[in-house]
Amino acid sequence: KAGVTQTPRYLIKTRGQQVTLSCSPISGHRSVSWYQQTPGQGLQFLFEYFSETQRNKGNFPGRFSGRQFSNSRSEMNVSTLELGDSALYLCASSSGRWENTEAFFGQGTRLTVV
Amino acid sequence: SQQGEEDPQALSIQEGENATMNCSYKTSINNLQWYRQNSGRGLVHLILIRSNEREKHSGRLRVTLDTSKKSSSLLITASRAADTASYFCATGTGSNTGKLIFGQGTTLQVKP
Repeated sequence: KAGVTQTPRYLIKTRGQQVTLSCSPISGHRSVSWYQQTPGQGLQFLFEYFSETQRNKGNFPGRFSGRQFSNSRSEMNVSTLELGDSALYLCASSSGRWENTEAFFGQGTRLTVV
Repeated sequence: SQQGEEDPQALSIQEGENATMNCSYKTSINNLQWYRQNSGRGLVHLILIRSNEREKHSGRLRVTLDTSKKSSSLLITASRAADTASYFCATGTGSNTGKLIFGQGTTLQVKP
């Protein structure tokens, strides 16, 4: 079974630009969650999608948005990039049986904003 | 916001020794998961322990959970240089969400 695939692996963007990151979950998994990892704040939950619906949202500004397609693939978008958005963005895939479900992560997309 | 804290923040041991990492959390949980991360790459899932379990083993890993103290520990026995990584605990709190809340992590260095 293929793992969680995130593209691209690396991105360099300029302040003010926008960026779209992609995540393909494990086949059969219907839940995709996104996390931001920075040295200062650690791993922080962005949002979660299940069956094309946002189920949960973290404390991030509206510049961060996402969506999920019918094949469970998910994208997240960050508009009007700021230097502080530089981070490793990770997505996690899980089956959806929340009580006992394991979440499997992709390799991440490292975003650098200059 | 972070769920809790991990202790120690950094740990350095010799190959063959055991490594113990602790994790504390604040709210009630459904499960607790441990992950490993090598050099800022993706998170590798190690083990999941449910809230009604007290101990779980997987190879050289032993995880305990004490819900009365809101704490968990990860023991890696007979450590190897390849175990050098950051280790994170993450708690699943909701019955209808896959959201995980992570600790700050423990950086483990295993010297050959």
